[in-house]
Amino acid sequence: QKEVEQNSGPLSVPEGAIASLNCTYSDRVSQSFFWYRQYSGKSPELIMSIYSNGDKEDGRFTAQLNKASQYVSLLIRDSQPSDSATYLCAGRGRDDKIIFGKGTRLHILP
Amino acid sequence: DAGITQSPRHKVTETGTPVTLRCHQTENHRYMYWYRQDPGHGLRLIHYSYGVKDTDKGEVSDGYSVSRSKTEDFLLTLESATSSQTSVYFCAITRDSSQETQYFGPGTRLLVL
Repeated sequence: QKEVEQNSGPLSVPEGAIASLNCTYSDRVSQSFFWYRQYSGKSPELIMSIYSNGDKEDGRFTAQLNKASQYVSLLIRDSQPSDSATYLCAGRGRDDKIIFGKGTRLHILP
Repeated sequence: DAGITQSPRHKVTETGTPVTLRCHQTENHRYMYWYRQDPGHGLRLIHYSYGVKDTDKGEVSDGYSVSRSKTEDFLLTLESATSSQTSVYFCAITRDSSQETQYFGPGTRLLVL
């Protein structure tokens, strides 16, 4: 199993709906997890970080962490066309370095 | 804006030539990183620095060297550029003491012909 895995997409979601992005991780990834958003031709920008089991909400974004299942997700409520981007899941490895997934392309349909 | 600049922003070079990319930060952060991003591979760590003159290798360090003689500058050198080093290079810094939340520069697009 790769250390951080994401479906590459594209994931197409109608405007106003909930977009659900998923990420799984291996035993080599530790306790801290991050979601970054990257617009085409731009650099990644941090959206959310999550460190403990459960949900963490910030505006329209909710990050969910399930350590037993080694699963992290990002929910985007009331999706907007401006949410169309690639979303990178990342986790801290056992050597303390951040490991990134390959990203999921999200397309919000107007 | 995390106070990070990268130069050059775009570069075209020929195989076998040395290339140096510069990352400059204005906020006096201790940790700086160089990544490359390629389709199908995502972001991969090349080298990182945890202080002046303190650097270490990342996942894909072969063919690259780094230097950090001042807190604000972290240089990445491709000693003899190859076509496989055509990529987008991102510099990142960490702001907080946990060294986990990374903030990225605007990137450098490098094409090696």
